Amino acid sequence: GQQLNQSPQSMFIQEGEDVSMNCTSSSIFNTWLWYKQDPGEGPVLLIALYKAGELTSNGRLTAQFGITRKDSFLNISASIPSDVGIYFCAGHSAGGTSYGKLTFGQGTILTVHP
Amino acid sequence: EPEVTQTPSHQVTQMGQEVILRCVPISNHLYFYWYRQILGQKVEFLVSFYNNEISEKSEIFDDQFSVERPDGSNFTLKIRSTKLEDSAMYFCASSAQGDQYFGPGTRLTVL
Repeated sequence: GQQLNQSPQSMFIQEGEDVSMNCTSSSIFNTWLWYKQDPGEGPVLLIALYKAGELTSNGRLTAQFGITRKDSFLNISASIPSDVGIYFCAGHSAGGTSYGKLTFGQGTILTVHP
Repeated sequence: EPEVTQTPSHQVTQMGQEVILRCVPISNHLYFYWYRQILGQKVEFLVSFYNNEISEKSEIFDDQFSVERPDGSNFTLKIRSTKLEDSAMYFCASSAQGDQYFGPGTRLTVL
């Protein structure tokens, strides 16, 4: 089956620093999604990417859909304490009228020190 | 802002018992999903549902699992005879296009 490798597994940073995490896939995806999950809660959608090469921002977050369609990265600029959480990449390769299953990365645990 | 809701937030059951997890997807969405997340692990796909039938299911989604859209708003996941290894967070998600929005989850504990 499809595999997503997400790195790094964890990050410990100071408030104000920029953060970067990425995902690589063993196969091509048509859609890349980035989620944030707080303990005991559901994943919250941060950014959705639909085209190879697409660069999308959402406030301090920026994500890109890799040209090869096998990778994506998420950047967080000027981190703040509430950025703490687990960040997941997810992708699917469905097309046409089928919006298929998401394959998730293993997650990046982000800790921000004030 | 529309959101996916799930009930109950926590369900404790005895092994072998049946459980039904309930979801109300976002109202104009047509595609519905169930995922699960075992503690400390990544989210795993269980099943997708469109036009009142299953579109795709994973190996996890065996004969003990079933899904139903009993009316115009609810989407349910039934586990007929729970096992200890079914203990996990179960998330419902819905989508109109390529993005998927998740509910807050139901924590299922099987004793």
